[in-house]
Amino acid sequence: EAQVTQNPRYLITVTGKKLTVTCSQNMNHEYMSWYRQDPGLGLRQIYYSMNVEVTDKGDVPEGYKVSRKEKRNFPLILESPSPNQTSLYFCASSLLGSTNEKLFFGSGTQLSVL
Amino acid sequence: GEDVEQSLFLSVREGDSSVINCTYTDSSSTYLYWYKQEPGAGLQLLTYIFSNMDMKQDQRLTVLLNKKDKHLSLRIADTQTGDSAIYFCADSGGGADGLTFGKGTHLIIQP
Repeated sequence: EAQVTQNPRYLITVTGKKLTVTCSQNMNHEYMSWYRQDPGLGLRQIYYSMNVEVTDKGDVPEGYKVSRKEKRNFPLILESPSPNQTSLYFCASSLLGSTNEKLFFGSGTQLSVL
Repeated sequence: GEDVEQSLFLSVREGDSSVINCTYTDSSSTYLYWYKQEPGAGLQLLTYIFSNMDMKQDQRLTVLLNKKDKHLSLRIADTQTGDSAIYFCADSGGGADGLTFGKGTHLIIQP
């Protein structure tokens, strides 16, 4: 089954403790992206990647890192999480880029930073 | 920068038509999209329209695009309880850096 898999589904952590949210897709997609969803703010793009070893900042990259060492995986790294990073995070992928291709979304990771 | 605006809430009665509106600012948008987010789930593509079209129909869904006014709408005919969700409008812009999403419209269905 074609899917984007994020882990964990829920995560509670404390300020400053490094964490990684994993994202994996099994569709051989070139394009992958991370979004955060906050009430009243909708979806905002954090980082995206057009292919292996190619990553770029989205609208709200501060406090986040990503890597794309393999095509299928695109982990989101919070080196020193802060409470303002409490949010619902979505990973998404598409075949050739999101302009004219369907974006497939993961089920989301609800992160709480205390 | 690019901006996509939509109302936050829409309440309709079951069986009526729902019309969700969206305005966007990027005139170079090639495609415009409607995504649906059900509770506890990620977004799923519902439908999309190419910028040189003014209407697209897919079963109960009708998308209307007024490119001059940069206005996009999604009409859901015979709204059912299963249509209760958040609907996001998104535009592709002119580049490859991803979609710009609106804040989402919560569609509430009254019995």
